[in-house]
Amino acid sequence: AQRVTQPEKLLSVFKGAPVELKCNYSYSGSPELFWYVQYSRQRLQLLLRHISRESIKGFTADLNKGETSFHLKKPFAQEEDSAMYYCALTSLGFQKLVFGTGTRLLVSP
Amino acid sequence: DTGVSQNPRHKITKRGQNVTFRCDPISEHNRLYWYRQTLGQGPEFLTYFQNEAQLEKSRLLSDRFSAERPKGSFSTLEIQRTEQGDSAMYLCASSPRTGENIQYFGAGTRLSVL
Repeated sequence: AQRVTQPEKLLSVFKGAPVELKCNYSYSGSPELFWYVQYSRQRLQLLLRHISRESIKGFTADLNKGETSFHLKKPFAQEEDSAMYYCALTSLGFQKLVFGTGTRLLVSP
Repeated sequence: DTGVSQNPRHKITKRGQNVTFRCDPISEHNRLYWYRQTLGQGPEFLTYFQNEAQLEKSRLLSDRFSAERPKGSFSTLEIQRTEQGDSAMYLCASSPRTGENIQYFGAGTRLSVL
């Protein structure tokens, strides 16, 4: 069965501190992993995907197939990073997304 | 706004009534998805279309739920005989058939069943 686990409901840090939002998955096959973000009063939007291996807004995420993890990291958090973050997976082939329960990141000044 | 559009944004209804939501995907996006999100949870897949064909339905989609995409453009999601447990945010997303496997989400329709 496909499953995405985000163990932290809330992560609270101070501005400038490093951030790591955890995501573990279970999937029998080769999944494609994503991080979606939802800022206050905005729609869900893609932050980054493992295939592109890029850094967006200073965030990076590396797929670790051995640990079945796709943790989201940023070395120095900013207040504007405060949002709800969802890890998601899909199979290669444009099918449904399976989401985790989300982690709320709160960055305080 | 050329993004995914959903109407209405909010719907309040009484238990037992029928409701219908509409989703207009991004132009030329062949794939359209419906998700449901309840408080404290991530979005859960309901169903998806490629053009007008409904290719997959979740077990969450009971007999009271029906979705259509008659001309391969906009889609409707109907819930018959609503129950309080149907209260949720209903999200629509679309993606192009070719190219990047990215789903673009609408702002959602929030349903409250009294």
